[in-house]
Amino acid sequence: AQRVTQPEKLLSVFKGAPVELKCNYSYSGSPELFWYVQYSRQRLQLLLRHISRESIKGFTADLNKGETSFHLKKPFAQEEDSAMYYCALSGGSGGSNYKLTFGKGTLLTVNP
Amino acid sequence: NAGVMQNPRHLVRRRGQEARLRCSPMKGHSHVYWYRQLPEEGLKFMVYLQKENIIDESGMPKERFSAEFPKEGPSILRIQQVVRGDSAAYFCASSPSIVTYEQYFGPGTRLTVT
Repeated sequence: AQRVTQPEKLLSVFKGAPVELKCNYSYSGSPELFWYVQYSRQRLQLLLRHISRESIKGFTADLNKGETSFHLKKPFAQEEDSAMYYCALSGGSGGSNYKLTFGKGTLLTVNP
Repeated sequence: NAGVMQNPRHLVRRRGQEARLRCSPMKGHSHVYWYRQLPEEGLKFMVYLQKENIIDESGMPKERFSAEFPKEGPSILRIQQVVRGDSAAYFCASSPSIVTYEQYFGPGTRLTVT
């Protein structure tokens, strides 16, 4: 069965400090991993996905298949980064890769 | 494009009543997905629909829950005889195709069963 684990429920950092939101997964096939973000009073939106290997709003995430991790990193946190972050995995049996499996989320607070 | 619309945003029902949650996908999107988020949990897949067809309902509870996406009108998630354990946030997403990363989420409906 596929599973996504985000070990930190809450993460608090100061502005300008590096931030890393952890995500580990279990999946028997080749997963597709995503990070979604939900800012206060806004809807869930895609932040980035591992296939694109891009940096969005200064965030990057590298898929480490050996450690089955997909940690989200930013070298210098900004106050506007405060939000709920969800790691998600796409996959399923029989090609049902439209199913997203989400972690429980990490609430990031960036203090001034 | 107004994005995925869900209504109501908040719904309170007494135990035993029916709950109807509506989702209007983005314009041009013919694929709709429903997810449920229980308190302190991540979103969990419930059902995937295309117009007039249920493609995958493997995440739906076997009883009391049903979903439809008619030719005209919004997608409906229907919960009959609600119980306290149904209290959750229900999210709808839509996509123009089956490609996963293109799922756009609505604001969710928060159902409270008293």
